[in-house]
Amino acid sequence: AQKVTQAQTEISVVEKEDVTLDCVYETRDTTYYLFWYKQPPSGELVFLIRRNSFDEQNEISGRYSWNFQKSTSSFNFTITASQVVDSAVYFCALSEGGGSQGNLIFGKGTKLSVKP
Amino acid sequence: GAGVSQSPRYKVTKRGQDVALRCDPISGHVSLYWYRQALGQGPEFLTYFNYEAQQDKSGLPNDRFSAERPEGSISTLTIQRTEQRDSAMYRCASSSFDENEKLFFGSGTQLSVL
Repeated sequence: AQKVTQAQTEISVVEKEDVTLDCVYETRDTTYYLFWYKQPPSGELVFLIRRNSFDEQNEISGRYSWNFQKSTSSFNFTITASQVVDSAVYFCALSEGGGSQGNLIFGKGTKLSVKP
Repeated sequence: GAGVSQSPRYKVTKRGQDVALRCDPISGHVSLYWYRQALGQGPEFLTYFNYEAQQDKSGLPNDRFSAERPEGSISTLTIQRTEQRDSAMYRCASSSFDENEKLFFGSGTQLSVL
């Protein structure tokens, strides 16, 4: 069965610290997609990244980077030099079947608090 | 519209009443999805449409829940004979044909069943 585990329920850091959010997934499919979404205090869900199972290259976007390792079934998310505006709940998600049909399986989320 | 629009923003109802939640997707988006999010949890898939066709309703918890998208645009999620356990944030999302895995979520409807 497919499953997404975000073991860290809450993380608190001080501004400018680096922080890594962990995501471990389970799937029997060889083709799947992994996602990260951000949910700021305002409540909306904001798409951050999608990665397919055949692309293990790490990705960097500004202060954000993602480390996909199939060997450990992990898709971790690092924020470098964190800022107060990064405070949010971050969700990792998985979809199977060679392309999303919209049936994303979300983890329970990690609440990140960045203190000034 | 500019984003996914959901109404009402908040809905308080009494147990046993029916409710209808509306979603207006991003203009031109082919696919529309309904999710439910309980407090402190990630969103949980309910159902999705491509155009007006309901493709997957495996996430609907029981037959009190139904959804439609008759003209391939606006969708309505209906919950009949509401129960307290139905209280949650109901989120709609849409995606384009070209990037169907990139979901744009609305702000949600917070449903409270008393």
